[in-house]
Amino acid sequence: NAGVMQNPRHLVRRRGQEARLRCSPMKGHSHVYWYRQLPEEGLKFMVYLQKENIIDESGMPKERFSAEFPKEGPSILRIQQVVRGDSAAYFCASSPPGGVSYTFGSGTRLTVV
Amino acid sequence: AQSVTQLDSQVPVFEEAPVELRCNYSSSVSVYLFWYVQYPNQGLQLLLKYLSGSTLVESINGFEAEFNKSQTSFHLRKPSVHISDTAEYFCAVRGLSSGSARQLTFGSGTQLTVLP
Repeated sequence: NAGVMQNPRHLVRRRGQEARLRCSPMKGHSHVYWYRQLPEEGLKFMVYLQKENIIDESGMPKERFSAEFPKEGPSILRIQQVVRGDSAAYFCASSPPGGVSYTFGSGTRLTVV
Repeated sequence: AQSVTQLDSQVPVFEEAPVELRCNYSSSVSVYLFWYVQYPNQGLQLLLKYLSGSTLVESINGFEAEFNKSQTSFHLRKPSVHISDTAEYFCAVRGLSSGSARQLTFGSGTQLTVLP
């Protein structure tokens, strides 16, 4: 039973490009959460999704960031027109319906040059 | 809303010595409590959790944490640390209810460094 799969593991983008981060939850998990970890900081909540629905996006920046979790396929966190301040580790976690604790992926480390 | 405070950002300790990593939380509702560990360039791994019942919870690798409701604390302890325990440790809380309260709120982390 594979864990939460995130890809790519490392992503380098030039300022102004788009970044797409993918997250495949564990089998049987229909809830997905995205977190961002800036250097020397803890994890900050970004968005909570269920299949085809955004449940809570209170942590998402108002512009350039979007997330989806389609009926088929992985969850996608999309960052348009990246800036240097977007450089961070982005972690995805998943849980089953009614589950209490989350399983985290290994993260995608985004570097904007 | 919840918040988590980890009072120590860095904790150096010698091998085989005891250690305590402190965590205090604030919440207007009942919460679940968690400790996660992060090794360099890796994701977070669940170390232990408090959901209900006994206030003392243990992990398989010798860590334990005690939920203290009156002091709103969930400190992590280990009586004798190993070099391999060197990592970043995060305390986290989440509300019991569904919807937006499901999100985990993390502390800023404590870097535990075990010295030979």
